[in-house]
Parts: sequence; structure tokens; C-alpha cells
Amino acid sequence: EAGVTQFPSHSVIEKGQTVTLRCDPISGHDNLYWYRRVMGKEIKFLLHFVKESKQDESGMPNNRFLAERTGGTYSTLKVQPAELEDSGVYFCASSQGRSEAFFGQGTRLTVV
Amino acid sequence: SQQGEEDPQALSIQEGENATMNCSYKTSINNLQWYRQNSGRGLVHLILIRSNEREKHSGRLRVTLDTSKKSSSLLITASRAADTASYFCAPGGSNYKLTFGKGTLLTVNP
Repeated sequence: EAGVTQFPSHSVIEKGQTVTLRCDPISGHDNLYWYRRVMGKEIKFLLHFVKESKQDESGMPNNRFLAERTGGTYSTLKVQPAELEDSGVYFCASSQGRSEAFFGQGTRLTVV
Repeated sequence: SQQGEEDPQALSIQEGENATMNCSYKTSINNLQWYRQNSGRGLVHLILIRSNEREKHSGRLRVTLDTSKKSSSLLITASRAADTASYFCAPGGSNYKLTFGKGTLLTVNP
């Protein structure tokens, strides 16, 4: 069974550009989460989808970040326009019910 | 907050030794999970212990949970160089959100 997959694995963009990250959860997992780790700091929760609905988006930093989960399958996280402080590793995770959450390999975003 | 705090922040041991890291949290939980992150890679789920469990084993991993003290420990026995990574605990409460601390950076020297 395929795990959580994220695309791209690395992205380097200039300040002011737009970047879209994608996450494909494990098939059948209703819960999908986005997290971010800025270098040297904690892994921070961004938001939680249950199927296609946003259950909790309390961790989204500001309105430059937009997450969607079309049809309750894959999810995208768009940053527009990107700022230097958005650099970090973005993780996606999925789970079924209250069972353990499985994480993807992450997307390393560098804004220059 | 359900955020776990790992202790120590860094731990350096020799291959073959045991490594123990601790996690403390502040609110009541349903379960607690431990994760590992190798440098530059994703988070790997290690083990989940439920609030009604006191100890759980998985291979060379042993996790304990003391809900009265709001603490958990992760023991890695007979450590290997490949165990070098950051380790995070994630207490789980009534919601589904996992909240991580800064982690324990474990270095296993060959």
C-alpha cells in the first residue's frame, strides 16, 4: 500500500512568486493534515481536513496560504505571494479515525 | 495545549548503548505517539500508546506512559548509528490535531 506522497520534494522560488504543494494521502484516510517546520523550530500544525471539509485551520499563518482538498482526495497548499519566512519543510499526514497519523517525506521550500 | 515537551534536547551515545528520552505534557490525553525524523526526511511513526496502557514494546523500542505524572518515556535499546535522528512525542487529546515539541536530537556514534 502506498504511503503519503508529497510533491515536489524540493522547491526553490523567489520572493513574491507562487508555489503549490501537493499531498496524496493514504487511500481511504479521511483525515489529512498539513504541518510546517521552520529550521530549528517546532513542527507546527497548519490545518486539518476531514474529507473535503476544513475541520481546523487555526494554524494557518495568514491569508497568503490557501489549502484545498478537492473531492476529499489529494490536497494542495498554495502560498501566494511567497515570503522569505515561508521557507521550511512542509509535511502532510493522513489518518483514519483516531489511529496513528502517517506522514509524507515533506516538501522543502526555500524562498530566496 | 496538548503540546509535548521532549527532554533532553540533545543526547549523544555510543553504538550499543541504550537511549532514553522523555516527554511531558499538560492536558489529559487519549493517546500519545512517538515519531522520528531523520535529517532531511519525513516523520516516521514509531509507536502509539493509549491512555489506558502503561507500557508498550515494538522491537528495540519501549514506551512507558504515566498519566498521573503526564509523562512518557521512549527507550531505544542496543542503539545503532541508523537511530541517529530527532525524536518527537505527540500527545493526542479530544481533537485529532498532533502538537509537537522541539524534539530530542539523538546522535549515535559508531
